[in-house]
Amino acid sequence: GQQVMQIPQYQHVQEGEDFTTYCNSSTTLSNIQWYKQRPGGHPVFLIQLVKSGEVKKQKRLTFQFGEAKKNSSLHITATQTTDVGTYFCAPTSNTGKLIFGQGTTLQVKP
Amino acid sequence: EAGVTQSPTHLIKTRGQQATLRCSPISGHTSVYWYQQALGLGLQFLLWYDEGEERNRGNFPPRFSGRQFPNYSSELNVNALELEDSALYLCASSLQGGGSPLHFGNGTRLTVT
Repeated sequence: GQQVMQIPQYQHVQEGEDFTTYCNSSTTLSNIQWYKQRPGGHPVFLIQLVKSGEVKKQKRLTFQFGEAKKNSSLHITATQTTDVGTYFCAPTSNTGKLIFGQGTTLQVKP
Repeated sequence: EAGVTQSPTHLIKTRGQQATLRCSPISGHTSVYWYQQALGLGLQFLLWYDEGEERNRGNFPPRFSGRQFPNYSSELNVNALELEDSALYLCASSLQGGGSPLHFGNGTRLTVT
């Protein structure tokens, strides 16, 4: 399966600050999914990126897929306490083996 | 639409015993995935079932096994339980395998003493 490195592992921000997590691969990815897991909850699908250089927005969240399809990022503008959780990237493949990155845990101080 | 349901919510077993975890996918979903999430760690891929067949498995020993039934529900069996098997076991379903978004259940918390 395709392995990815997700950084940073943890991020503490003040409410209102921006936050970015990065997902990097040594190989070209077919496409990539992003999930959010709230503390004590289960992962919830956020978005899937397919095209090279693709940028998608969901309110304050901006998702990007690199031109070479080897990296992806999730940027949150003006974080809120509701953004707390762990964000996972997961490259998809036609083998069906969806491998999740290690995740970035975001803490937001009010 | 009912989501993915898992049972039991919590399971306590002793070392050497066997555990059976169950999962019912969203109606219409044919693919079921199993993941292990140890405390504070990420999601480790266990198994993928689609249309009743095991399509792929992760790097886990053979004592982790499962099956998918004709109604697409699934069960995960863990034999000869070890202390390090204590974890949250998450089931997810999707419309089809190979890249469709996963919908997760709330998980089964397995504790091995």
